[in-house]
Amino acid sequence: SQQGEEDPQALSIQEGENATMNCSYKTSINNLQWYRQNSGRGLVHLILIRSNEREKHSGRLRVTLDTSKKSSSLLITASRAADTASYFCATGLKYQGGSEKLVFGKGTKLTVNP
Amino acid sequence: GAGVSQTPSNKVTEKGKYVELRCDPISGHTALYWYRQSLGQGPEFLIYFQGTGAADDSGLPNDRFFAVRPEGSVSTLKIQRTERGDSAVYLCASSLHDSTDTQYFGPGTRLTVL
Repeated sequence: SQQGEEDPQALSIQEGENATMNCSYKTSINNLQWYRQNSGRGLVHLILIRSNEREKHSGRLRVTLDTSKKSSSLLITASRAADTASYFCATGLKYQGGSEKLVFGKGTKLTVNP
Repeated sequence: GAGVSQTPSNKVTEKGKYVELRCDPISGHTALYWYRQSLGQGPEFLIYFQGTGAADDSGLPNDRFFAVRPEGSVSTLKIQRTERGDSAVYLCASSLHDSTDTQYFGPGTRLTVL
């Protein structure tokens, strides 16, 4: 079963615009991570935000986390055609022995038009 | 250094056949994960290895699926009596110590069961 739900399912913007993707989840988490996937193959880790953090930046990426609303957003500023990909949020759920399981959402397909 | 590698990149088999999918994690990573990704979905957790042992195999869909990691590095996912519904991209990831660390994904093996 999938815990996170990304919104929107698909997003098309022009180069230079900002792209915002949202993720909602259901249960308590240890952390939330965002991944990018090109052409349905390997995923690239973008950023991890812990449950006690509210905002994190990495280059053109900005992630926010609101644990009271069980939601996160990923903002990509000044988008480029190369940002075209699917973006997934994954929630880190703690389970037996203190380890964590990553549960992915269905993803947002971002298209950046040149 | 080399990332996570998976072989083969594509596998086409007939219904009822046995297949093996291989994953070479990043050298020195003790944690290894298998995920399955169907078209239009996010990756779905199958199994997590800590060293040689399976710490969590709760995601394996049924007893036709089995995975091993005998020496704590390379892992093989084995699927017996394949069914058309097993067609998916099988992704492997590794992390340095355990599942609280960032997971690095391989390019995946696309399995097609005819």
